[in-house]
Amino acid sequence: AQSVAQPEDQVNVAEGNPLTVKCTYSVSGNPYLFWYVQYPNRGLQFLLKYITGDNLVKGSYGFEAEFNKSQTSFHLKKPSALVSDSALYFCAVRDEGDYKLSFGAGTTVTVRA
Amino acid sequence: EAGVAQSPRYKIIEKRQSVAFWCNPISGHATLYWYQQILGQGPKLLIQFQNNGVVDDSQLPKDRFSAERLKGVDSTLKIQPAKLEDSAVYLCASSFPGGNTIYFGEGSWLTVV
Repeated sequence: AQSVAQPEDQVNVAEGNPLTVKCTYSVSGNPYLFWYVQYPNRGLQFLLKYITGDNLVKGSYGFEAEFNKSQTSFHLKKPSALVSDSALYFCAVRDEGDYKLSFGAGTTVTVRA
Repeated sequence: EAGVAQSPRYKIIEKRQSVAFWCNPISGHATLYWYQQILGQGPKLLIQFQNNGVVDDSQLPKDRFSAERLKGVDSTLKIQPAKLEDSAVYLCASSFPGGNTIYFGEGSWLTVV
């Protein structure tokens, strides 16, 4: 079975400060990891993914994520947050040998001016 | 490139009524998914198609939900009769067969009163 945990329901940061959204996962094989963002009344937008290779993955809108196999984590980061980054962020995982994508419950990010 | 198209965007119905949602995936994407996202939760897979065949419908409440993809392109998700707990966002998504990244539409927001 595979699962994802996003331990923080909400993250609040000031504009210009670093932003981190945490994600831990559990799979039986090799993980394929994803981050999506959802703005109010919108669908999910793909941000970035880790399949294999470099543990630091760069994605859209200046976001990056670091894969840590020993800690089974895939935290999303942005060096300098913008007010427009305020949204709902979902981490997702699937096992290399499976097609099902499992999502976390989401983390609401609020960036204050 | 056009994204995943969904309609209607918003629907309000009374319990025990029926509703249908339509989805047109990204061109060339043979795999199509329907997810249900209840407020405060991550998306949950309802059904996955590969071309016009069902790959997984284990989470689809088959007593009231049905989905079809007759020509391997567009898909329709139907709920009949609707219950209050069906109030959610219904997200259609698509990917290339075996593709790692799933792309989502804007969602169809259902309120059952």
